[in-house]
Amino acid sequence: AIRMTQSPSSFSASTGDRVTITCRASQGISSYLAWYQQKPGKAPKLLIYAASTLQSGVPSRFSGSGSGTDFTLTISCLQSEDFATYYCQQYYSYLALTFGGGTKVEIK
Amino acid sequence: QVQLQESGPGLVKPSETLSLTCTVSGGSISSYYWSWIRQPPGKGLEWIGYIYYSGSTNYNPSLKSRVTISVDTSKNQFSLKLSSVTAADTAVYYCARARDGVGATIVSPFDYWGQGTLVTVSS
Repeated sequence: AIRMTQSPSSFSASTGDRVTITCRASQGISSYLAWYQQKPGKAPKLLIYAASTLQSGVPSRFSGSGSGTDFTLTISCLQSEDFATYYCQQYYSYLALTFGGGTKVEIK
Repeated sequence: QVQLQESGPGLVKPSETLSLTCTVSGGSISSYYWSWIRQPPGKGLEWIGYIYYSGSTNYNPSLKSRVTISVDTSKNQFSLKLSSVTAADTAVYYCARARDGVGATIVSPFDYWGQGTLVTVSS
């Protein structure tokens, strides 16, 4: 199975900061990469698919980039409602879908 | 608006079979992939498997020997059975929907999720 590695696993940031989360695939997945946001006690919410396409209704401060094995999720101006855990997921290998381990964004 | 709702026992004994059902409302179960995903307390997400509305399935290789996913289009429901459970199967179980994929993949990311249901494996 393709292993998805996120970094960092957690970090602290302040409202208004620009933050970047990295996701690396153990083998090339083209652009078949999605990002999800999960808040405590809630289901994950799809933010970005195809590495850089914003899901309908997601604020434009979220953006994604990358292809092949290296991907990033950027939040251009962190808002209070953005403090959450973020997961990447590959869907290139559709016989074995895999998620990254998650990145928790905490309030500094 | 599509809604998914998981239902089933919250407590299962070790070695028994975990059974959950996901009811889809606000839309048809046809023409989509329907999946189960779980999350152990305090940990990350693990894909369990998915079923196409036509009945074709794919399972996580690490769970394949214990998993069965089925669909009942007449009830707009799909179900999960996980056999021979242990404490390691304790998790919040989510059901989710994915559209058909494009290009090199047959499945897209999960755009609708249920709220999740906690299943504890304990005697």
